Amino acid sequence: GESVGLHLPTLSVQEGDNSIINCAYSNSASDYFIWYKQESGKGPQFIIDIRSNMDKRQGQRVTVLLNKTVKHLSLQIAATQPGDSAVYFCAESNTGANSKLTFGKGITLSVRP
Amino acid sequence: DTGVSQDPRHKITKRGQNVTFRCDPISEHNRLYWYRQTLGQGPEFLTYFQNEAQLEKSRLLSDRFSAERPKGSFSTLEIQRTEQGDSAMYLCASSLQNSGNTIYFGEGSWLTVV
Repeated sequence: GESVGLHLPTLSVQEGDNSIINCAYSNSASDYFIWYKQESGKGPQFIIDIRSNMDKRQGQRVTVLLNKTVKHLSLQIAATQPGDSAVYFCAESNTGANSKLTFGKGITLSVRP
Repeated sequence: DTGVSQDPRHKITKRGQNVTFRCDPISEHNRLYWYRQTLGQGPEFLTYFQNEAQLEKSRLLSDRFSAERPKGSFSTLEIQRTEQGDSAMYLCASSLQNSGNTIYFGEGSWLTVV
């Protein structure tokens, strides 16, 4: 069946270091991937997305890498800040269908001062 | 427009009561989604509208759940005869078809059934 999973439940990093959050997906029909950040008590906040015709996309302090060969997605956060502490979700969808998202369980990023 | 708006943000209800949540999507977004999220889990898809048409419903959406989007703008999600297992955060999201398909979420409506 379809599944999107994250390799690690928690990640602790030192402030100023780079963070890398990994995600595996299994639906080969997925062609669109999104990373969301969710703070306690709030809804998921869009961070960055990537389509299957790309393997890398950069935003402000964030980079998403897509490896379709091994169905792997990663989120890199440069110079991690305390405000980056949150739960991060990767999600996949098939835009040729209804674009509904399938989420993984989430990983908690904790930034040490 | 400030994004997807949900109301109420928090609702405590007794088991067996009915509750209704409202979602106002981002203006001109023709797709609207409802998700449910419990603690420690990622959001789970419930249902999806394109304009006023409800195009897909998850098996999670039992007969006690009903969603509407009568004019293709705001949507309501009603839960009848609530059960303790319905306690969760109900998230609404919207997107504009063929314009990136980026899906934006609201802040959610917390439901506690006691």
